[in-house]
Amino acid sequence: EAGVAQSPRYKIIEKRQSVAFWCNPISGHATLYWYQQILGQGPKLLIQFQNNGVVDDSQLPKDRFSAERLKGVDSTLKIQPAKLEDSAVYLCASSLEWGGLSYEQYFGPGTRLTVT
Amino acid sequence: AQTVTQSQPEMSVQEAETVTLSCTYDTSESNYYLFWYKQPPSRQMILVIRQEAYKQQNATENRFSVNFQKAAKSFSLKISDSQLGDTAMYFCAFMIPDASANKLVFGAGTILRVKS
Repeated sequence: EAGVAQSPRYKIIEKRQSVAFWCNPISGHATLYWYQQILGQGPKLLIQFQNNGVVDDSQLPKDRFSAERLKGVDSTLKIQPAKLEDSAVYLCASSLEWGGLSYEQYFGPGTRLTVT
Repeated sequence: AQTVTQSQPEMSVQEAETVTLSCTYDTSESNYYLFWYKQPPSRQMILVIRQEAYKQQNATENRFSVNFQKAAKSFSLKISDSQLGDTAMYFCAFMIPDASANKLVFGAGTILRVKS
């Protein structure tokens, strides 16, 4: 079974530029999550999708961050314009369903963003 | 709001020995899940072990076991017969099922180094 795929793995941009990250969840997983992991901290949920609908985006900085999940499969997370404090690893995770038996989330390798 | 605290930023252990990582959490809920995730240097986060709050028996997975003290809101991870491959960042995480969209709340993590 293929895992959660993310690209790119690394990205360096200047502040005020825009950037987009892509995530392909495990096949059949209805729920998709985007987390932000700042160096030295645990991951923090940015947004959660159930199929192609948003379930929770309470911690997403909506003035600069946006995310979509077209057709309930792949997802993109965009930052525009980027700030220095956006430097972090962006993790994508998926789970079989909301309220599934195991509640287990499967994580991708992450995208390390550096904003200079 | 739920919080997760990992008071040990770094730990080290000799190969083949046993180490215990600490985690405390704060919640007023009675039904919840607790997890330990492992994040090796490659950054792919994987689930180590899971505990349902309604279960009194401590979870075990091969060399990994937990000491779940619900009244004390404590959830420690014991790794027996430590191996070099156990070197990683370990995150304790908390989830309330079917509320807040099954959001995982992570602690800040503990870096574990296994020495040969």
